[in-house]
Amino acid sequence: DAKTTQPNSMESNEEEPVHLPCNHSTISGTDYIHWYRQLPSQGPEYVIHGLTSNVNNRMASLAIAEDRKSSTLILHRATLRDAAVYYCILRDVGRDDKIIFGKGTRLHILP
Amino acid sequence: NAGVTQTPKFQVLKTGQSMTLQCAQDMNHNSMYWYRQDPGMGLRLIYYSASEGTTDKGEVPNGYNVSRLNKREFSLRLESAAPSQTSVYFCASSRTQSYGYTFGSGTRLTVV
Repeated sequence: DAKTTQPNSMESNEEEPVHLPCNHSTISGTDYIHWYRQLPSQGPEYVIHGLTSNVNNRMASLAIAEDRKSSTLILHRATLRDAAVYYCILRDVGRDDKIIFGKGTRLHILP
Repeated sequence: NAGVTQTPKFQVLKTGQSMTLQCAQDMNHNSMYWYRQDPGMGLRLIYYSASEGTTDKGEVPNGYNVSRLNKREFSLRLESAAPSQTSVYFCASSRTQSYGYTFGSGTRLTVV
């Protein structure tokens, strides 16, 4: 399975944008880039996913590098409720239908 | 729309006891998954089912069995519980590979 690399932790101020990076240099052409987050004491929650083009939804934006070897999850205006562990995951639509979670990035929001 | 429902939410077992964790989804998803999460750790895949009638091992299948009873339900069984299986268990489902997962709220299992 292609691997992803994320910083262990990040801090951001409340009401400011947050850019969470993810490197996936061994990504294959059939890998979708997925982002999930896990709030304290809750199950993971789907955030966004994309293949090649940048994606936007009500929760966040996903910016994918042209070579697809990296991506960035953008929270446009962080709130205290966005404090969570964020996981960047690759999901291969051409092979086994499973995703493997890494350690993720723990995002701290400062009031 | 209930999403993914897990039962029970909490359970305490004695070493050697058996139990089945239940998971049901009402979104007509094809794929279902079981993960475990130990304190302070990430999620690890136990078993998954890409479609009704199929199951496959994940990263940590030892000590567990699964049954994809129908398209809606995917159960996880511990035949002889061990303290090392103390964890929070999450069930998830997905429509196809190009869609995201929906997770349940988890079952907190303690084996004493």
